Amino acid sequence: DGGITQSPKYLFRKEGQNVTLSCEQNLNHDAMYWYRQDPGQGLRLIYYSQIVNDFQKGDIAEGYSVSREKKESFPLTVTSAQKNPTAFYLCASSGYRGLSYEQYFGPGTRLTVT
Amino acid sequence: SQQGEEDPQALSIQEGENATMNCSYKTSINNLQWYRQNSGRGLVHLILIRSNEREKHSGRLRVTLDTSKKSSSLLITASRAADTASYFCATVASGGYQKVTFGTGTKLQVIP
Repeated sequence: DGGITQSPKYLFRKEGQNVTLSCEQNLNHDAMYWYRQDPGQGLRLIYYSQIVNDFQKGDIAEGYSVSREKKESFPLTVTSAQKNPTAFYLCASSGYRGLSYEQYFGPGTRLTVT
Repeated sequence: SQQGEEDPQALSIQEGENATMNCSYKTSINNLQWYRQNSGRGLVHLILIRSNEREKHSGRLRVTLDTSKKSSSLLITASRAADTASYFCATVASGGYQKVTFGTGTKLQVIP
């Protein structure tokens, strides 16, 4: 089955530690995205990538880093510089299949930093 | 600020009634999409409407787009308790990158 996987589902870290969230897709989509969602809020774009080895900052990139070494993978690192890292993180990918545009989201990773 | 702003922020209706949510945006778009999110879960893509389309249907969903007013509406007809969720609009800007920007969402509660 095609889809997006994020791991882990829940992640707990101590303040001051970097942590990397995984996102993998087998949909052959070119574009991938990371969003952050805080309780009762909409999604805010952290980083996005249109092609391998290229990525762009979104609206709230400070304190985060990404890489896109493979088309299938777009890991997000939450660094110790991120002031309020506790949030729900969603990865997405998008692309055209024929004339149809698709976008799919992963199930999310809930990060808690104490 | 968010590209898309949904209105109302929250909506509570009885099962069987129709639910209408609105979305306004600021810049030129390639397309506009609506998503659904159940509490604490990922988002599910509901429907996409292109900038040259005015109306689109999918089952009990009806989406309209008015590019002159930079607004869209999502109508859910004959609502069910299972429709209870948050609904987000998202826009893909014209040109270049497929940057998808989300609004703040409408929280819909359908009372059985």
